[in-house]
Amino acid sequence: QVQFVQSGAEVKKPGASVKVSCKASGYNFARFIIQWVRQAPEQGLEWMGWINAGNGNSKSSQRFQGRVIFSMDASATTVYMELSSLKFEDTAVYYCARGFSFDYWGQGTLVTVSS
Amino acid sequence: QSALAQPPSASGSPGQSVTISCTGTSGDVGGYKHVSWIQQQPGKAPKLIIFEVSQRPSGVPDRFSASKSGNTASLTISGLQAEDEADYYCTSYAGSNTYLFGPGTKVTVL
Repeated sequence: QVQFVQSGAEVKKPGASVKVSCKASGYNFARFIIQWVRQAPEQGLEWMGWINAGNGNSKSSQRFQGRVIFSMDASATTVYMELSSLKFEDTAVYYCARGFSFDYWGQGTLVTVSS
Repeated sequence: QSALAQPPSASGSPGQSVTISCTGTSGDVGGYKHVSWIQQQPGKAPKLIIFEVSQRPSGVPDRFSASKSGNTASLTISGLQAEDEADYYCTSYAGSNTYLFGPGTKVTVL
């Protein structure tokens, strides 16, 4: 069955970077894009961008351009989201999800930015 | 890009129907088939319940239905059940390889 397992919770200081992983299984990894979505405490879902697992191309929301990098290790069927220059307001749960329709989601990774 | 518009809340008694709207523009909801609805129950990860405007993934009960007219998409939950109490988000492709989410609608089962 399709499954996404994300890395564990992180605590970072302002100005630092965080890298979250998302391991996919149960389908042909290269056939789908992987999207990244975040949810601040008590807030809604916010689209961050995607990476094409077939060729590594990516696209990020203008809100994060210059601060976010999407990467992948096809041999490990794993994608990564690295967010730099962290601010307090980047505290959120970060999710990976599959495809144009967000049809399968990871369990989420809580990133806390605290001094 | 402007956000999609959703009512903040909706409610109904068990067995009733509730409809949630998602209003965008011709540059997002009105222009593409990639409109989805996402359910998020309290404390859980989001879950897809509708894709491509009106398609239900396998395993999603048929009491969930959806449609689109112009720049507005709608999700209807018929025969409301206690387990349907959740936040519901619409999402749409918005051109230039970007996506938008609505702010979410909290559905309460009275």
